[in-house]
Amino acid sequence: AQKVTQAQTEISVVEKEDVTLDCVYETRDTTYYLFWYKQPPSGELVFLIRRNSFDEQNEISGRYSWNFQKSTSSFNFTITASQVVDSAVYFCALSDTNQAGTALIFGKGTTLSVSS
Amino acid sequence: KAGVTQTPRYLIKTRGQQVTLSCSPISGHRSVSWYQQTPGQGLQFLFEYFSETQRNKGNFPGRFSGRQFSNSRSEMNVSTLELGDSALYLCASSSGQGASYEQYFGPGTRLTVT
Repeated sequence: AQKVTQAQTEISVVEKEDVTLDCVYETRDTTYYLFWYKQPPSGELVFLIRRNSFDEQNEISGRYSWNFQKSTSSFNFTITASQVVDSAVYFCALSDTNQAGTALIFGKGTTLSVSS
Repeated sequence: KAGVTQTPRYLIKTRGQQVTLSCSPISGHRSVSWYQQTPGQGLQFLFEYFSETQRNKGNFPGRFSGRQFSNSRSEMNVSTLELGDSALYLCASSSGQGASYEQYFGPGTRLTVT
């Protein structure tokens, strides 16, 4: 069965600290996609990144970076020099290959609180 | 380009009633997916519509149904509401079908069943 685990339920940091959000996934498929979404208090999910299973290159986008390691089935997300605006719930998701379409399997989310 | 819109944003219903939620995708997007978000179960996939046809369905009872119109707008219906149906219902649209397409989410409809 496919599964996404975000072991960190809540993380609190002070502004300018670096923080890493962990994501571990389970799948037997060789082709799959991994995603990170941000959910601010307004409720809508904001897309951050999509990575396919054949691309293990790390990615950096401004203060955000992602580390994908197939050997450990992990897709971790690091925010460098965190800011108060980064406070949100962050979800890691895996494409559901039992469904032919666009269905995603989400982790339970990690609530990040950044204080000034 | 306007984002995904969902109406209404908030809804309060009584057990046993039925409810219809609406989702307007981004212009040009033909795929619409629905998700239920609850504190206990988290985010769970309900169903996906593409070109007016239901392509995929999650593990939810038949009380949950939906449809998609020719303009790609989608509605989901929940009949015989139960207290456990209280949740944030999120709609997402994408330009194609499949995980290689980016999904854009709307702000959600918060349904409270009393």
